[in-house]
Amino acid sequence: GENVEQHPSTLSVQEGDSAVIKCTYSDSASNYFPWYKQELGKRPQLIIDIRSNVGEKKDQRIAVTLNKTAKHFSLHITETQPEDSAVYFCAASFTSGTYKYIFGTGTRLKVLA
Amino acid sequence: DTGVSQDPRHKITKRGQNVTFRCDPISEHNRLYWYRQTLGQGPEFLTYFQNEAQLEKSRLLSDRFSAERPKGSFSTLEIQRTEQGDSAMYLCASSLGGQAGEQYFGPGTRLTVT
Repeated sequence: GENVEQHPSTLSVQEGDSAVIKCTYSDSASNYFPWYKQELGKRPQLIIDIRSNVGEKKDQRIAVTLNKTAKHFSLHITETQPEDSAVYFCAASFTSGTYKYIFGTGTRLKVLA
Repeated sequence: DTGVSQDPRHKITKRGQNVTFRCDPISEHNRLYWYRQTLGQGPEFLTYFQNEAQLEKSRLLSDRFSAERPKGSFSTLEIQRTEQGDSAMYLCASSLGGQAGEQYFGPGTRLTVT
């Protein structure tokens, strides 16, 4: 069935260190993988995304990698800052024509000053 | 604010009552989604509209739930005979059609059923 697994569920890092969050999806036909950041009480906001024809994408301190064969994709945040503390969700967009998202269960990232 | 808006932001209701939520998407977006998010979980897909047509409904959407998008602009989600298990954040998102891409989320309506 349609499923996205996300690990870890919580992650604490020291300010300045890197953070890595990993996701696995089930449908090999998925072709779009967004990452959303959700701060407490706020709406999810897109921070980076990747399409299946690309292996890696970077935007300043944030990068996403995709391994289509293994059906894995990962979020990498370098030089973490306290304002990076939030819940991060990965998602896979299924090609059913609706492009609905199937979300992972989220990772609560805490950046310790 | 030209983003996705939702109303109300909070709703407290007693079990058995009916509630209706409204979502106003970004004006040029033809795709509209409803998701439900419970504490500590990722959003779960409920239903999808392309313009005014409801094209997919999740199995999560029981007969007590109904959604409309009458003119292809705003959408409403109604829950009849609410149950405590309906307590959640209801998120609306919209996007521009063509291919899979960014969905813009509204602030959500937090429903508490007592």
